[in-house]
Amino acid sequence: DAKTTQPNSMESNEEEPVHLPCNHSTISGTDYIHWYRQLPSQGPEYVIHGLTSNVNNRMASLAIAEDRKSSTLILHRATLRDAAVYYCILRSTTSGTYKYIFGTGTRLKVLA
Amino acid sequence: EAGVVQSPRYKIIEKKQPVAFWCNPISGHNTLYWYLQNLGQGPELLIRYENEEAVDDSQLPKDRFSAERLKGVDSTLKIQPAELGDSAVYLCASSLSYRDTQYFGPGTRLTVL
Repeated sequence: DAKTTQPNSMESNEEEPVHLPCNHSTISGTDYIHWYRQLPSQGPEYVIHGLTSNVNNRMASLAIAEDRKSSTLILHRATLRDAAVYYCILRSTTSGTYKYIFGTGTRLKVLA
Repeated sequence: EAGVVQSPRYKIIEKKQPVAFWCNPISGHNTLYWYLQNLGQGPELLIRYENEEAVDDSQLPKDRFSAERLKGVDSTLKIQPAELGDSAVYLCASSLSYRDTQYFGPGTRLTVL
């Protein structure tokens, strides 16, 4: 199964943009890139996903490198409520199972 | 629309005791997942159901763990007997089908003393 690599932690100031990087050099052509976040004492929450093109939704933007070996989750204006662990996941389609393989994620700290 | 519901939210038991966790998925979601999350780690899949059939239970420790999804809706995950190393958060998730986005419940935090 393809793996992802993320920094253990990052800090951002409130109301500033945040760029959360993810490396996935062994990604295969059919693997989707998903981002989830997990707030304290809650289950993971879906943020965004994409395959090849950049994606935008009300929560964030996802920028995918042309060779798909890396991606960046962009929070346009961080708020204190965005403090969470952010997981970059490759939804592997190996054997048709569409598994999520979680790593250890990036803990984002937002400073007031 | 209600999300994935799990109960209890917290459970403390002594080792060798049995314990059960309950999950009610989002209405209409055919696929249900149970994950285990250890402290500081990402969730790991234990079992996946398509309706009432367990289609991927390769990571479920079958000597002490069991799960069921009667009638293809609610699901129960059981541990008997519990060991100290089972202390973790047990997450339930559901999706419309195995190809679709997964939605997670709040989890059950188990502490085994």
